Amino acid sequence: DVKVTQSSRYLVKRTGEKVFLECVQDMDHENMFWYRQDPGLGLRLIYFSYDVKMKEKGDIPEGYSVSREKKERFSLILESASTNQTSMYLCASSGQGARTQYFGPGTRLLVL
Amino acid sequence: DQQVKQNSPSLSVQEGRISILNCDYTNSMFDYFLWYKKYPAEGPTFLISISSIKDKNEDGRFTVFLNKSAKHLSLHIVPSQPGDSAVYFCAASDGPGTYKYIFGTGTRLKVLA
Repeated sequence: DVKVTQSSRYLVKRTGEKVFLECVQDMDHENMFWYRQDPGLGLRLIYFSYDVKMKEKGDIPEGYSVSREKKERFSLILESASTNQTSMYLCASSGQGARTQYFGPGTRLLVL
Repeated sequence: DQQVKQNSPSLSVQEGRISILNCDYTNSMFDYFLWYKKYPAEGPTFLISISSIKDKNEDGRFTVFLNKSAKHLSLHIVPSQPGDSAVYFCAASDGPGTYKYIFGTGTRLKVLA
């Protein structure tokens, strides 16, 4: 079974803090994704990566950056957290040529 | 503008009956569609997919129908069970060269015992 893990289930941070969200997958997948889920808005793509050290902006990249130094790990960074970044963050991965994405359990982030 | 729409935010169905969840899209280039189920405080779980070369795909109690001319897909769950109560998302992709998906806003299904 594909396993995608996220470092924290719940996080509380203060405005202006730098926040790191970590995602690890154990299936040697080439593609990794970061989404945020908000009520009434569904899942929106923040960033994705097709390969190590490679990244591409999704639909809502503003205020975020990412890092992929190893194939299995994809990090989402909030450089200076703001209250409008309070959300559920979901990481996903997929294999090369595969059309199905597999999701981690999510991190619920609250920015005060 | 929302390219993938799930116009019903919620749906209630009696246990044992059919649940029909709908999804509309605007981009005729979308060629692959996924349905996910999501429980509270968990990540989405893949349910079933369909390629645009098909009009139906079935997996156990779950069937997805695709009507390309209407740009409409639906997920049928028969028979519905209380454990099916969750939020369901449809997602669409516009080609094998991209792995990006556009997600709908979700429909909350409640199956009443």
